[in-house]
Amino acid sequence: SQKIEQNSEALNIQEGKTATLTCNYTNYSPAYLQWYRQDPGRGPVFLLLIRENEKEKRKERLKVTFDTTLKQSLFHITASQPADSATYLCALLNQAGTALIFGKGTTLSVSS
Amino acid sequence: DAGVIQSPRHEVTEMGQEVTLRCKPISGHNSLFWYRQTMMRGLELLIYFNNNVPIDDSGMPEDRFSAKMPNASFSTLKIQPSEPRDSAVYFCASSRTSGAAYEQFFGPGTRLTVL
Repeated sequence: SQKIEQNSEALNIQEGKTATLTCNYTNYSPAYLQWYRQDPGRGPVFLLLIRENEKEKRKERLKVTFDTTLKQSLFHITASQPADSATYLCALLNQAGTALIFGKGTTLSVSS
Repeated sequence: DAGVIQSPRHEVTEMGQEVTLRCKPISGHNSLFWYRQTMMRGLELLIYFNNNVPIDDSGMPEDRFSAKMPNASFSTLKIQPSEPRDSAVYFCASSRTSGAAYEQFFGPGTRLTVL
């Protein structure tokens, strides 16, 4: 079955540093991968989508990479700020194209 | 745009009672998804509708759960009878396109507690 792992439950960094979050998957090759942000008590909010034929995607201070050989996506936040503190979820499209399979998330804390 | 609207925001009920959760997707969106989130299992898809038709309900845990989408602007998720293990946050999400490939817009969720 399709499996996705975000291998850090929590990540603590200092303001101004780059945060790097990891998402690994097994057993199949998804056509799309998405990243969401979730704040406490709220629903997830879409950040970025990357396709299997794209190596990298950027949006302001965010960068996502997609390595289909390693079966891994990296999510970077440069010049991190305390407002970036949240849980970040990685999601893969299932093989049928009917569902997103979410990782359990990495909780990022940025201290000033 | 008001975004995805869910009601109620909080629901506390006793085991055995029927629970109905409601969702209004963003106008013009073709796809609607119901998810459940717990600490143990994370965010899991329960059911996916496209143009009001259920396409994938493989995530619905058992017959106690049912979902309907009578029209493009309304969906319900019903649990009957409810059990303590159903306690979770239930999210509804909608998307402009068919399928789950593209951006999904999530509602604020319904926190369900079954005593």
